[in-house]
Amino acid sequence: AQSVSQHNHHVILSEAASLELGCNYSYGGTVNLFWYVQYPGQHLQLLLKYFSGDPLVKGIKGFEAEFIKSKFSFNLRKPSVQWSDTAEYFCAVAGGSYIPTFGRGTSLIVHP
Amino acid sequence: DTGVSQDPRHKITKRGQNVTFRCDPISEHNRLYWYRQTLGQGPEFLTYFQNEAQLEKSRLLSDRFSAERPKGSFSTLEIQRTEQGDSAMYLCASSGRQGSTDTQYFGPGTRLTVL
Repeated sequence: AQSVSQHNHHVILSEAASLELGCNYSYGGTVNLFWYVQYPGQHLQLLLKYFSGDPLVKGIKGFEAEFIKSKFSFNLRKPSVQWSDTAEYFCAVAGGSYIPTFGRGTSLIVHP
Repeated sequence: DTGVSQDPRHKITKRGQNVTFRCDPISEHNRLYWYRQTLGQGPEFLTYFQNEAQLEKSRLLSDRFSAERPKGSFSTLEIQRTEQGDSAMYLCASSGRQGSTDTQYFGPGTRLTVL
């Protein structure tokens, strides 16, 4: 069975600070990895995804994530956050069934 | 807007009543997923359809829950004899191609409150 662990449940930053949200997964085979974001009052939407190839994945709005297979990690990063990045962030992993398992999410608040 | 839509957006019901939710996926998408999300948790998979066939169901989907996608387009999720523990956000998502490489597009969800 696949599982996902997000280490930080609540993160508070000031604008221009750097962001790194941790995500570790558990699955024995080939995985596909996702970060989704949910802005206040909006739908869940895909931020970025990794299927194969370059382990450094770039997504929308300046976000990137790095797949480190040896650490079973897929951490999300952004060098300089903005107030508009305030949202809930979910990491997800999909193994052989292609059905993603989501982490419990990280609530990010960015102060202007 | 041609995104995933869900109806109703909010539903308040009394324990023991039946409720039904509807999801309209993006029109060309053949895969449709239902998830449940409670406060402080990520979405939990319930079931998914490829066209009209229900291919997988989570053990979270008790026998009080049933989902259909009769013509491979919209889907309904029915909960019979609701319980307070059913209170949650029910999310629908759709994707267009087989396999894991396709992105799931989520709807706004239906928030269920069971009194």
